[in-house]
Amino acid sequence: QKEVEQNSGPLSVPEGAIASLNCTYSDRVSQSFFWYRQYSGKSPELIMSIYSNGDKEDGRFTAQLNKASQYVSLLIRDSQPSDSATYLCAVLQGGKLIFGQGTELSVKP
Amino acid sequence: GAVVSQHPSWVICKSGTSVKIECRSLDFQATTMFWYRQFPKQSLMLMATSNEGSKATYEQGVEKDKFLINHASLTLSTLTVTSAHPEDSSFYICSARAALNTEAFFGQGTRLTVV
Repeated sequence: QKEVEQNSGPLSVPEGAIASLNCTYSDRVSQSFFWYRQYSGKSPELIMSIYSNGDKEDGRFTAQLNKASQYVSLLIRDSQPSDSATYLCAVLQGGKLIFGQGTELSVKP
Repeated sequence: GAVVSQHPSWVICKSGTSVKIECRSLDFQATTMFWYRQFPKQSLMLMATSNEGSKATYEQGVEKDKFLINHASLTLSTLTVTSAHPEDSSFYICSARAALNTEAFFGQGTRLTVV
C-alpha cells in the first residue's frame, strides 16, 4: 500500500463546475496535510494546509480532513481553465513530506 | 508564502562530471530542507531530508555518495550530483520549511540533462 494515494486522473470538469480531488494516507499518526498545485514543467506551489478535522476554506478552495477515515480532499469551486494542473496531496510523516502521485485536472472552457 | 530560490534552473553537463544545485530560503530560516527528484509524468520522490548542521537522511535506494547534500546554514542547502550519468537526468526540486509541522515551500526546480 502506498503511503499517500490519489487517483491519477485525468479529471475533466467544465468551467464553473466544482472539482473534487481526493487523497488517502496510510500513517494514522500523521497530523499535517497539504495540497500543492503543479503546472507542467514547474515546481509545486502550496494551495492549502490543514491540520484539524473538518473543513478549511480559502477563496474558491476548500480542504476537508477526516483523520478517522485517513482521508483528505480538495474542492475547487467555480473551476477556471487556469486551474488546469496536477494537484498533489502531501502528508507529513515522521518529519518527512510524502507526496501522492498527483491528480491531473483539466477544466474545459 | 515564503520564498525559496533554487539555482540553476537548468543545466546540461557531460557524463562523468559533477553538478551542484543550490537552494536558498530568502526570507526565513529553514531548519529542514528536502530534496526531491521528479521524472516526467511521475510524482515527486523524496531523495533526502537535511536538517541544518547535521548529516542528511537519505531515502532507501538513494546513493549518499552520489548525491551529496550539504546544509551548512539555515538559509542554504546544496545538492551535488557526482559523476553524473544520463539516467540522472531529471527535475530536481528543493523544499524548505521553518519548523516541524509547518508548510514547506518549493524552489523553482532544476532540470538536469546529462549528455
